[in-house]
Amino acid sequence: AQSVTQPDIHITVSEGASLELRCNYSYGATPYLFWYVQSPGQGLQLLLKYFSGDTLVQGIKGFEAEFKRSQSSFNLRKPSVHWSDAAEYFCAVGPMIRWGKLQFGAGTQVVVTP
Amino acid sequence: KAGVTQTPRYLIKTRGQQVTLSCSPISGHRSVSWYQQTPGQGLQFLFEYFSETQRNKGNFPGRFSGRQFSNSRSEMNVSTLELGDSALYLCASSLDQGPDGPDTQYFGPGTRLTVL
Repeated sequence: AQSVTQPDIHITVSEGASLELRCNYSYGATPYLFWYVQSPGQGLQLLLKYFSGDTLVQGIKGFEAEFKRSQSSFNLRKPSVHWSDAAEYFCAVGPMIRWGKLQFGAGTQVVVTP
Repeated sequence: KAGVTQTPRYLIKTRGQQVTLSCSPISGHRSVSWYQQTPGQGLQFLFEYFSETQRNKGNFPGRFSGRQFSNSRSEMNVSTLELGDSALYLCASSLDQGPDGPDTQYFGPGTRLTVL
């Protein structure tokens, strides 16, 4: 069965420290991969996406993610966290066909301390 | 370019009533998807429309339905509301083809539905 796992439900990080959020997927083929961020009471904002090519993807707000096929992972990183990065982060996968649905992980809540 | 808009933003209904939520996609986007977000179940796919046709459907009861108009705007309807239908309903639009690539979905702010 297809699945997306975000192992960390909650992460606390100090402002200025680095951040890494984990995402593992189980899929029949290489899916399309996404990271979204959701601030309280808001919709989802696309941070970055991977379709093919370079496995290190740059996104908005200083985020990057690395696709590792051998580990079925797509981890999100940021070198230096800002207080405004406090939010919930969702990893999502979409199938190769264009009209497929997105399957989301359970999300990781990020708290940034001073 | 304007983003995805959803109306209303907040809604309070009572059990047994029905509700209609509206979504206007980004200009030029022809695909509209709907998701339900709850603390317990997370983000779950409801259905997806393209050119006024439902192309994909999630595992929700028939009380949940939708439609898409010729201008790509979409509505979803929930009949006979239950307490468990309280959720944030998110709409997303995407280009079916183009430089963005397939299935990059852009989300609206959501409609917060509370069922009492």
